[in-house]
Amino acid sequence: NAGVTQTPKFRILKIGQSMTLQCTQDMNHNYMYWYRQDPGMGLKLIYYSVGAGITDKGEVPNGYNVSRSTTEDFPLRLELAAPSQTSVYFCATRPSWNTEAFFGQGTRLTVV
Amino acid sequence: AQSVTQLGSHVSVSEGALVLLRCNYSSSVPPYLFWYVQYPNQGLQLLLKYTTGATLVKGINGFEAEFKKSETSFHLTKPSAHMSDAAEYFCAVSDSSGTALIFGKGTTLSVSS
Repeated sequence: NAGVTQTPKFRILKIGQSMTLQCTQDMNHNYMYWYRQDPGMGLKLIYYSVGAGITDKGEVPNGYNVSRSTTEDFPLRLELAAPSQTSVYFCATRPSWNTEAFFGQGTRLTVV
Repeated sequence: AQSVTQLGSHVSVSEGALVLLRCNYSSSVPPYLFWYVQYPNQGLQLLLKYTTGATLVKGINGFEAEFKKSETSFHLTKPSAHMSDAAEYFCAVSDSSGTALIFGKGTTLSVSS
């Protein structure tokens, strides 16, 4: 099993450009999450989903959008990239709210 | 709402010394608690978890943590540090009041020889 796969691993964007960060899981987990990690700030929740067709905002959703059309995929969309979105993005999944989460390897995004 | 506070953004120990990383949580209902480790340029890996039952939880690589409800704490310990333990450690909480897994800001552990 591949687990949680994030693509791309690295990306440089120009201000105002858009892109989609991909996250795919093969564990049939209902819960999926997007976090961003900034130095000294820990992981902040951007969006999450408890199942296909259901998404909800986390702590820092502004500037991002998500969709969950299938159990496997949970893409994160940046519409108008800003330097403040320079960060490392992690996708995570778990079967239920009371279990541990499994993380992808992350996407390092730089907006210049 | 749940929250997590990790005391000390950076902890330095000598090889062979005791490791103590502190975590306090806030939750209005019984919590589920987790410790994760992150090595440079990698994702997060589960060290250990407390769900229900025994309050002393053993994890991988010789780490353990004790859930103390009266102190709302879940501190991570290891009796003898190894150079390979140098990494960033995150405490996280989840409970039935929400669907998210909430993380602390992390503690960087440095181990010197």
